[in-house]
Amino acid sequence: EVQLVESGGGLIKPGGSLRLSCAASGFTFTDAWMSWVRQAPGKGLEWVGRLRSKIDGGLTDYAAPVKGRFTISRDDSKNTLFLQMHSLRPEDTAVYYCTTDHYYGSGSYWASWGQGTLVTVSS
Amino acid sequence: DIQMTQSPSSLSASVGDRVTITCRASETIRTYLNWYQQKAGKAPKVLIYAASSLQSGVPSRFSGSGSGTDFTLTISSLQPEDFATYYCQQSYSIPRTFGQGTKVEIK
Repeated sequence: EVQLVESGGGLIKPGGSLRLSCAASGFTFTDAWMSWVRQAPGKGLEWVGRLRSKIDGGLTDYAAPVKGRFTISRDDSKNTLFLQMHSLRPEDTAVYYCTTDHYYGSGSYWASWGQGTLVTVSS
Repeated sequence: DIQMTQSPSSLSASVGDRVTITCRASETIRTYLNWYQQKAGKAPKVLIYAASSLQSGVPSRFSGSGSGTDFTLTISSLQPEDFATYYCQQSYSIPRTFGQGTKVEIK
């Protein structure tokens, strides 16, 4: 059974940094493309970014609002995905979900999700 | 960026009703369209991928159709557990984008 467990959320002041972790199990993490999706309180879903598997180049893509401030990385030896967030803003306040990218041909969808971790950016 | 627009934003329906939610993309996304269901306080769950493919384990009362820019999610007979918010999402290009959501409420 696929399991994704996020951690690291909390209250942080504007301008601060935070690192989220996502512990994965139940699938071959090394081969997986992974994404982060967030949801501000009472709002819709927003894609944050994705990280390809190392065998597929290990490249990242980011949404414009977080590009240059957020970095997605992975430790395949520990089956863990990370989201390093810098220069946090109040508008980054959200529940952050870790997800697995499931590809079919040229398309993809997010088949498995963690429970989410809440990040609150406030003074 | 591809903009995804869902309609309606919310609807009220009764158990047993047929419910239709539409999603329009700002440019063609062929059939790279997914539908998710999210219940309060929970992570989203994929229902339909590739516009019309039913995810394993999802009840057959859910169906999807469309291609290009116009898509539809249909619930053939609404059940109590279907009251939730539904999102469409395109996987045609980066950045991935979602519709704003459709909240299905009890009438």
